[in-house]
Amino acid sequence: GQQLNQSPQSMFIQEGEDVSMNCTSSSIFNTWLWYKQDPGEGPVLLIALYKAGELTSNGRLTAQFGITRKDSFLNISASIPSDVGIYFCAGQLYGNKLVFGAGTILRVKS
Amino acid sequence: DTEVTQTPKHLVMGMTNKKSLKCEQHMGHRAMYWYKQKAKKPPELMFVYSYEKLSINESVPSRFSPECPNSSLLNLHLHALQPEDSALYLCASSPQGASTDTQYFGPGTRLTVL
Repeated sequence: GQQLNQSPQSMFIQEGEDVSMNCTSSSIFNTWLWYKQDPGEGPVLLIALYKAGELTSNGRLTAQFGITRKDSFLNISASIPSDVGIYFCAGQLYGNKLVFGAGTILRVKS
Repeated sequence: DTEVTQTPKHLVMGMTNKKSLKCEQHMGHRAMYWYKQKAKKPPELMFVYSYEKLSINESVPSRFSPECPNSSLLNLHLHALQPEDSALYLCASSPQGASTDTQYFGPGTRLTVL
């Protein structure tokens, strides 16, 4: 089946640093989504990518849909304490089904 | 408005109880989803409703019974659950269930089975 490899598994960074995480797959996707989840809450959509090569920003967040349609990255600039949480990538190819990465746990040291 | 609401927020039930989880969206979305999520793991798809019809059942045990009374509401009926069913249950919705759709998640119901 389809699988997403998300890395790194966890990060512990200084406040103000830039963060980068990525997802790769052996399969192509039509859509890449990035979600952030706080403890005890549902995933919140950060960025949605619909076209190969697309680069999209949302405030301090930037994400790109890889040109091969098999990968995506998410960058966070100038991290702040509220960036703490788990970040999930998700790819979508057929209809309703999302394939999730295992998540990146982000911890920020203030 | 991209809000999906879920009730209750927390639920504790015994293995012989019957309970229901509720989900509602008013975005006019025609696809709705139930996911199960264990701590620090990604959500696992359970059911998909598309235009109020069950379109995907990911081999979920029959002690979980979904229901879609109308295009805005989605229920998950629970009966004779096991302790290993304790998890965060997430509802999501998307416009049509197409491969270019974006799914929006609710805040979840934290279920504990004693």
